[in-house]
Amino acid sequence: SQKIEQNSEALNIQEGKTATLTCNYTNYSPAYLQWYRQDPGRGPVFLLLIRENEKEKRKERLKVTFDTTLKQSLFHITASQPADSATYLCAPRDNYGQNFVFGPGTRLSVLP
Amino acid sequence: EAQVTQNPRYLITVTGKKLTVTCSQNMNHEYMSWYRQDPGLGLRQIYYSMNVEVTDKGDVPEGYKVSRKEKRNFPLILESPSPNQTSLYFCASSLSMGYNSPLHFGNGTRLTVT
Repeated sequence: SQKIEQNSEALNIQEGKTATLTCNYTNYSPAYLQWYRQDPGRGPVFLLLIRENEKEKRKERLKVTFDTTLKQSLFHITASQPADSATYLCAPRDNYGQNFVFGPGTRLSVLP
Repeated sequence: EAQVTQNPRYLITVTGKKLTVTCSQNMNHEYMSWYRQDPGLGLRQIYYSMNVEVTDKGDVPEGYKVSRKEKRNFPLILESPSPNQTSLYFCASSLSMGYNSPLHFGNGTRLTVT
């Protein structure tokens, strides 16, 4: 069955460092992958999308990579700030699936 | 302002008492979906709708009903709520099912069934 894993339930890093979050999937052939941010008690908010033929995508301090051979996406936040503390969710998608499935999320805490 | 609006934000009810959680979007989106979120289980899809009068089951549809009579509204109905339906519920919409159509989420409804 299809499975999505995100590296760890929680990740603590020091302000100013780069946070790296991992999304691994099995029994999937996603055509693209989306990343979302979720704050406590709020709905997820879309951040970035990367397609299978794109190795890397950037948006301000965010960078996403997508390796279809490793079946993995990495999500980086450079020069992290306490305001980046949130849960980050990945959502791999193929071109045919009609249900939209999310990984379990990684809770990031950026310590001042 | 483009948004997905859910009501109510908080709801406490008793077992067996029918309830409806409303969801409305003002972005003319075709696709709408309901999720529940529980600690340790993440976001799980309940039902989704590709367009008006088209609905389909997600991963955890048991105990829920939906309808899509108008494009903007997608209510979630619990005919006979049970305590295991205590959860945080989110409605979401997107322009279409295409890859470049991210989901827009509402602010959630926290349901407690006693």
